[in-house]
Amino acid sequence: AQKVTQAQTEISVVEKEDVTLDCVYETRDTTYYLFWYKQPPSGELVFLIRRNSFDEQNEISGRYSWNFQKSTSSFNFTITASQVVDSAVYFCALSGNMFSGGYNKLIFGAGTRLAVHP
Amino acid sequence: DGGITQSPKYLFRKEGQNVTLSCEQNLNHDAMYWYRQDPGQGLRLIYYSQIVNDFQKGDIAEGYSVSREKKESFPLTVTSAQKNPTAFYLCASSKRSGEPQHFGDGTRLSIL
Repeated sequence: AQKVTQAQTEISVVEKEDVTLDCVYETRDTTYYLFWYKQPPSGELVFLIRRNSFDEQNEISGRYSWNFQKSTSSFNFTITASQVVDSAVYFCALSGNMFSGGYNKLIFGAGTRLAVHP
Repeated sequence: DGGITQSPKYLFRKEGQNVTLSCEQNLNHDAMYWYRQDPGQGLRLIYYSQIVNDFQKGDIAEGYSVSREKKESFPLTVTSAQKNPTAFYLCASSKRSGEPQHFGDGTRLSIL
């Protein structure tokens, strides 16, 4: 079975602190994608990143960075020098193997609510 | 600007009533999806469609129905059989299965 676990329900930091959001996943597929989405208070989900299961290179985009470790089934997300505008719920998600019929489905974690205080 | 439009933003349902949530996209995406989000939880897939006139059940399809008569439109009907419909409903689309999904602003459904 596929599963995504975001153990941190809520995180509270002060502006300019670095913060890491954890994501651990379970799958028996060898080919899959991992995603991070941001849900601001307005409600819509904003796509942040997609990572192919074959590509374990870490990625940096501005203040955001992602650490994908297949050995520990983790895909963690770090925000450097956090800002108030980063306050949102962040979701990690897993897609199924395209050959198993699960390619269309996104399995979401429960989300981590990040509050950044001035 | 291209995007996904969901309407209405807020919807109230009476007992025994069917209601339809609208989802339109002008991104020329083939695949469309409906998710349900309950407070403090992640999203769960209700239905998805890869092409016009075809759709598949997701994990929680009971009490819901959909149609895909046009590429741009994927309306969701919450039927009276859905006993706990109060939730936030999100529609999404992607170029094809597996590509990043783009989401609408959501519809919040409540029971009167």
